[in-house]
Amino acid sequence: AQKVTQAQTEISVVEKEDVTLDCVYETRDTTYYLFWYKQPPSGELVFLIRRNSFDEQNEISGRYSWNFQKSTSSFNFTITASQVVDSAVYFCALRNTGGFKTIFGAGTRLFVKA
Amino acid sequence: GAVVSQHPSRVICKSGTSVKIECRSLDFQATTMFWYRQFPKQSLMLMATSNEGSKATYEQGVEKDKFLINHASLTLSTLTVTSAHPEDSSFYICSARGPKGLNQPQHFGDGTRLSIL
Repeated sequence: AQKVTQAQTEISVVEKEDVTLDCVYETRDTTYYLFWYKQPPSGELVFLIRRNSFDEQNEISGRYSWNFQKSTSSFNFTITASQVVDSAVYFCALRNTGGFKTIFGAGTRLFVKA
Repeated sequence: GAVVSQHPSRVICKSGTSVKIECRSLDFQATTMFWYRQFPKQSLMLMATSNEGSKATYEQGVEKDKFLINHASLTLSTLTVTSAHPEDSSFYICSARGPKGLNQPQHFGDGTRLSIL
């Protein structure tokens, strides 16, 4: 069975702090995709990243970085020097390549205070 | 940047009616479109993926006859909730991706809040 756990329900930080959002997944598949999405208070989803299970390189995009650790089944997301505009709900998701099922985590609500 | 327009943004209708939601890519060709459903308390679900000119591929557990998806052109996909009932009330979100494959980002519409009375 597939599962995505985002254990942090809510995180509150002060602007300029670094923050890491955890994502732990379970799958029996050897090939799969992992995703992160952002949903600001306005409601529209924003795609952040898609990662193939074969690609364990960490990725950096501006203030965002992702740490994919297959050994611990984790795909954590770090925001460096957080800003108020980073306040949103962040979703991690897992999709296997065999079946037709994408599993989302419950989301982590991030509050960044000025 | 790439824009996806979703319409209507909100719809309220009586139980038993069918509701159509449109998703348009305004400035790019959307070879692949996605439909998501967001339940109360924010839980998200991917419902289906459609490629232009092909039948939609539904996720496990999604009723094909209930949620009809059409992707007839490179700029338009529609989701029709047939014979809607109160349990179909939800926030429906579409997304579109351009023709250069899986490495292209997805662009999302603003969502449609569907309320069935």
